[in-house]
Amino acid sequence: EVQLVQSGAELRKPGESLKISCKASGYNFANYWIGWVRQMPGKGLEWMGIINPRDSDTRYSPSFEGQVTLSADTSVTTAYVQWASLKASDTAMFYCARLRHPGILMEYWGQGTLVTVSS
Amino acid sequence: AIQLTQSPSSLSASVGDRVTLTCRASQGIGSAIAWYQQKPGKPPKLLIFEASNLESGVPSRFSGSGSWADFTLTISGLQPEDFATYYCQQFNSDPVTFGQGTKLEIK
Repeated sequence: EVQLVQSGAELRKPGESLKISCKASGYNFANYWIGWVRQMPGKGLEWMGIINPRDSDTRYSPSFEGQVTLSADTSVTTAYVQWASLKASDTAMFYCARLRHPGILMEYWGQGTLVTVSS
Repeated sequence: AIQLTQSPSSLSASVGDRVTLTCRASQGIGSAIAWYQQKPGKPPKLLIFEASNLESGVPSRFSGSGSWADFTLTISGLQPEDFATYYCQQFNSDPVTFGQGTKLEIK
């Protein structure tokens, strides 16, 4: 059974760094791209970018380029999103999803990680 | 980036109704569109891909149609579990984008 289990909710202060995770199981992690989506409170879905765990090839949406870093570690079948310096506007729910191969469809989703940035 | 405009933003309907949700792209995208359903506190769920293909396990009351820039998601015979927010997504060109969503509420 394909499962994506995300790390727990985080409360951080502005300026702090953060790395959240998405642990995959039930399939060959290296064979499928992972995508990330942001959902700000009460708002819609925003495409952040995707990463190929096999070679760490990464594609960012322009809105998130330079704002976050996507990474993946095949040894622990886990994908990550990292912030170097959080802002209050980073407060949101973040979802990871496995993309169908080939293509961009998000067919299996994690449960989401809520990130709250507040002083 | 290609913009997707969904209409209406919200819709009230009754169990058993037939409803149609619309997604319009700012330029032609062929059939490179998907529809997702999201319930409160849950991740989205893929319903339809490539405009009209039903995802495995999705009830047949859901159907998608359209091409180029105008697309619809139709639910025939609304069930209580269908009340949710629906998003379209285009994957014709980078960056991938989502519509702003249509919230389907019980009348």
